[in-house]
Parts: sequence; structure tokens; C-alpha cells
Amino acid sequence: DAGVIQSPRHEVTEMGQEVTLRCKPISGHNSLFWYRQTMMRGLELLIYFNNNVPIDDSGMPEDRFSAKMPNASFSTLKIQPSEPRDSAVYFCASSLASAGALAVSETQYFGPGTRLLVL
Amino acid sequence: DAKTTQPPSMDCAEGRAANLPCNHSTISGNEYVYWYRQIHSQGPQYIIHGLKNNETNEMASLIITEDRKSSTLILPHATLRDTAVYYCIAAGSRLTFGEGTQLTVNP
Repeated sequence: DAGVIQSPRHEVTEMGQEVTLRCKPISGHNSLFWYRQTMMRGLELLIYFNNNVPIDDSGMPEDRFSAKMPNASFSTLKIQPSEPRDSAVYFCASSLASAGALAVSETQYFGPGTRLLVL
Repeated sequence: DAKTTQPPSMDCAEGRAANLPCNHSTISGNEYVYWYRQIHSQGPQYIIHGLKNNETNEMASLIITEDRKSSTLILPHATLRDTAVYYCIAAGSRLTFGEGTQLTVNP
């Protein structure tokens, strides 16, 4: 099993540019999570999907952030326009949630993260 | 989700048991206690979770007090590779990561 795959692993961009982060969850998993980690705020949940449907996006900081999951094997997190304060490590995680169970109650498997630096 | 309190740092000698405490005095009946760890620059890694009963797996043991207000993660024979930040989470609708405990295993 390849685990959760994220790309790119590192991204350096200039303020105002669009940034797209990509995630491929573990095959067969039905829940996907996007987290952001900074020194100041720690590890925060941004949004999670269950069966490709966004369930909780209350952690998305503002309208500049958007996430999609067009199918069970792919998700994107987009920042447009990017700002220096968006610099962070962005993690994607996936899990297999039982029918009727909260997705968060299942073990989450994290990817290696994307290190984003916005200049 | 209930707030958890952990010591900011702990040290352990290689080969000895590492006992990491966690307080979650406001935990509700349907919230699980989860432990994850994060080795430097990597994504968090699941260790173990439980609701009421003590749990054991190949990585660790989880001891939950009868009133569920605190728990202890036990790494029975710590190795240098267990050096990491350990997060205790009382999870309801989401995993909320606090600051965790930096465990340093010394040779």
C-alpha cells in the first residue's frame, strides 16, 4: 500500500499566485481530511469529506481557500490568491469510516505533507 | 470536543518504558481517547485509541481511568525512533490536536 500521496512536497510561490495542493487517499478509504500545521496555531483541521461530499468545512480560514473531491481517489486544496500567512505544512489524511459512524472516529492515515512558502 | 492537558516534554532512557500522561476531565461519554505521534517533519501517525477499556496493540498500551478523566500511553520498551511529539485527543466530531508532549528517548 502506497499510503496517502500528496503533491507537490514543496511549493514556493509569490503572494497573489494561485496554489493547488493535491492528495490521493488510500484506496478504499471513504473519508478525506485536509489539515494545516503552523508553529503558531499547531495542527488544524480545515475540511473533511465523506464519500466525496464535504461534511465539515468550518476550519477553512476564508474564501481564498477551497477544496474539492471530484472522485474517491483525488482531492485538491486551492488557495487563490495566496498570502504569506498561508505559509504552512498542509497534510491530507484518509480513513475508512463505517456506515453511520463519524469519519473522525476511525483511524486517520496522514500523508507526508506539502510544505508551502508564500513570499 | 473535550480539552486535553499534557506535559510539554518528557525524557526516557532507551529500553525503558515511557509513560505519557493526559488529562481530559471534561470528556463526554461518546468521546474516544486517541493518541497520535508526529516524528519531526512527518505526518502524524496513529498509535492507539479507546473508549472505556484499556487497550493494547503492537505499538503501545492505553490505560484509561475508570472515571475517564485521564489516561496514560505506555511505550513498553522505548527506542530512539520513538522520539516524537505525542498528541492525546478526546475526539467527538473531529480530531483537535493540542500542543502534545515532546518525548525524547535518550541512549
